[in-house]
Amino acid sequence: NAGVTQTPKFQVLKTGQSMTLQCAQDMNHEYMSWYRQDPGMGLRLIHYSVGAGITDQGEVPNGYNVSRSTTEDFPLRLLSAAPSQTSVYFCASSYLGQGPGQPQHFGDGTRLSIL
Amino acid sequence: AQTVTQSQPEMSVQEAETVTLSCTYDTSESDYYLFWYKQPPSRQMILVIRQEAYKQQNATENRFSVNFQKAAKSFSLKISDSQLGDAAMYFCAYRSESGTYKYIFGTGTRLKVLA
Repeated sequence: NAGVTQTPKFQVLKTGQSMTLQCAQDMNHEYMSWYRQDPGMGLRLIHYSVGAGITDQGEVPNGYNVSRSTTEDFPLRLLSAAPSQTSVYFCASSYLGQGPGQPQHFGDGTRLSIL
Repeated sequence: AQTVTQSQPEMSVQEAETVTLSCTYDTSESDYYLFWYKQPPSRQMILVIRQEAYKQQNATENRFSVNFQKAAKSFSLKISDSQLGDAAMYFCAYRSESGTYKYIFGTGTRLKVLA
């Protein structure tokens, strides 16, 4: 069981370049989300999705785009990379609905540097 | 909007001693879950413990327990018999059970364990 797989693990970009961070999960989770982690700021929600075809903005969505065409995949696109987007990015997924609190399963993170 | 506050950026504990990490949150919802996650230097996010808001009984998992005070909106984590492997960043998280199912994280507490 692979869980949540993020690729790449490391990436260096130049300002203005675009790229896509990939996230895939094999647990049939409805909920998927992207966070960025910066020192002293914890994990901040960028975008999230409660199912295929449904996405919504989190706390810090500017400069990022997402889509959810399948249950398994939730890619994060940086449209025009800026140095302020240098961060560690985490993808996470979980079941939805009532019942025992459903924790999120996290990927291993992507360290992204924008020069 | 919901918020999660961890007011202790860093804590230290002597090996085998007990330490309590603080977390407060703000919400107008009555139905939610609370979580503590651990992030060791490996960067992995590991679920430590969860608490359902509708349960008055405090959750426990081996050496980890919580003090959940719903009226005060407080959710502290107690680590007993601290071990060197407990050294990590600890994040408190809130998950809404109504509508968005968004997870909101605190800024984290770095725990150092002294031998």
